[in-house]
Amino acid sequence: EAQVTQNPRYLITVTGKKLTVTCSQNMNHEYMSWYRQDPGLGLRQIYYSMNVEVTDKGDVPEGYKVSRKEKRNFPLILESPSPNQTSLYFCASKTGATNEKLFFGSGTQLSVL
Amino acid sequence: GESVGLHLPTLSVQEGDNSIINCAYSNSASDYFIWYKQESGKGPQFIIDIRSNMDKRQGQRVTVLLNKTVKHLSLQIAATQPGDSAVYFCAENQGGNNRKLIWGLGTSLAVNP
Repeated sequence: EAQVTQNPRYLITVTGKKLTVTCSQNMNHEYMSWYRQDPGLGLRQIYYSMNVEVTDKGDVPEGYKVSRKEKRNFPLILESPSPNQTSLYFCASKTGATNEKLFFGSGTQLSVL
Repeated sequence: GESVGLHLPTLSVQEGDNSIINCAYSNSASDYFIWYKQESGKGPQFIIDIRSNMDKRQGQRVTVLLNKTVKHLSLQIAATQPGDSAVYFCAENQGGNNRKLIWGLGTSLAVNP
């Protein structure tokens, strides 16, 4: 089944403790992206990657890192999480930058205490 | 700045009725629009899209209308079913190499049996 898989589904952590949220897609998509979703603010793009070894900042990149060493994986790294990073995170992919249709993962609910 | 917005944050309809969800956009240069459905606990799921060279596009039980004169987008759902209960997001394409989507804040659709 074609899908975007995120792990973990839920995560509770404490301020300053490094964490990684994994994202993997099995559709051979070139483009991958991370979003955070907050009430009243909608979906905001954190980082995106147009291909392997190519990553760029989105609208809210501060406090986040990403890497794209392989086509299928696009992990989101929080080196020193803070409470304002408590949010619902979504990974998404699409075939290429010029194709519009994004496929989303099921989300990761992160709470930073 | 440029933004995508929604007229109604919530919409309640009777099962079997038609639903209309509206969306206003402000960037007259946007050339692509897309609707997503997000059910509780899940990631956004593609419903239908439309390019700016069209004013109407139909899918299965859904129709998207685009009025470029007044910068208005709507999603019509025919014979609304309980399974249609979700939050619906419109998004417009900002353009550029990223082809980034600018997201609206969402409309919650509640279907009453």
